[in-house]
Amino acid sequence: DAKTTQPPSMDCAEGRAANLPCNHSTISGNEYVYWYRQIHSQGPQYIIHGLKNNETNEMASLIITEDRKSSTLILPHATLRDTAVYYCIVRSDGNKLVFGAGTILRVKS
Amino acid sequence: NAGVTQTPKFRILKIGQSMTLQCTQDMNHNYMYWYRQDPGMGLKLIYYSVGAGITDKGEVPNGYNVSRSTTEDFPLRLELAAPSQTSVYFCASKYQGGVHTGELFFGEGSRLTVL
Repeated sequence: DAKTTQPPSMDCAEGRAANLPCNHSTISGNEYVYWYRQIHSQGPQYIIHGLKNNETNEMASLIITEDRKSSTLILPHATLRDTAVYYCIVRSDGNKLVFGAGTILRVKS
Repeated sequence: NAGVTQTPKFRILKIGQSMTLQCTQDMNHNYMYWYRQDPGMGLKLIYYSVGAGITDKGEVPNGYNVSRSTTEDFPLRLELAAPSQTSVYFCASKYQGGVHTGELFFGEGSRLTVL
């Protein structure tokens, strides 16, 4: 499975868009990109996933580059409640998801 | 729908004691997972199950056992507790069918301390 690289932490102003990058340069053609987040000590929460095309749902947008070697999770209007650890995961079958250290996003007022 | 329910939420064990962490889900999900999370770290997969009667090891299975006798329940057993097993344990489930990859639903976690 492809390895992912994420910045350890990011800050974002409340109300602004939060753009969280993820590098997965060794991704193969059948591997999906998944994003989860973990607020404080709760269990992780699914955000979005995609294969090739950009995806959008009620929580976020996922932008995948044409060569699929990197992606960006976009929270369009970050709120204080979006402060969390965000995990980018690459898997071919959605099973045995491996959660790395992720990016700590701090939304500040 | 209660989702994924874990019990107990907190437990302190002495070295060498045994215990079972319970996990049940009411969403008729076929896949279930146990993860552990040490302070400041990501989640590590202990065991998972793709259906009743089927279990498989994850990244860190040593010191743990699981069973899956029903679709709903996936208990995790610690036979001889060690301080290295002090962690937060998360149970998760998902539906996997056809091309639908499904999202993981997590429980609230069980915080275990071994002294």
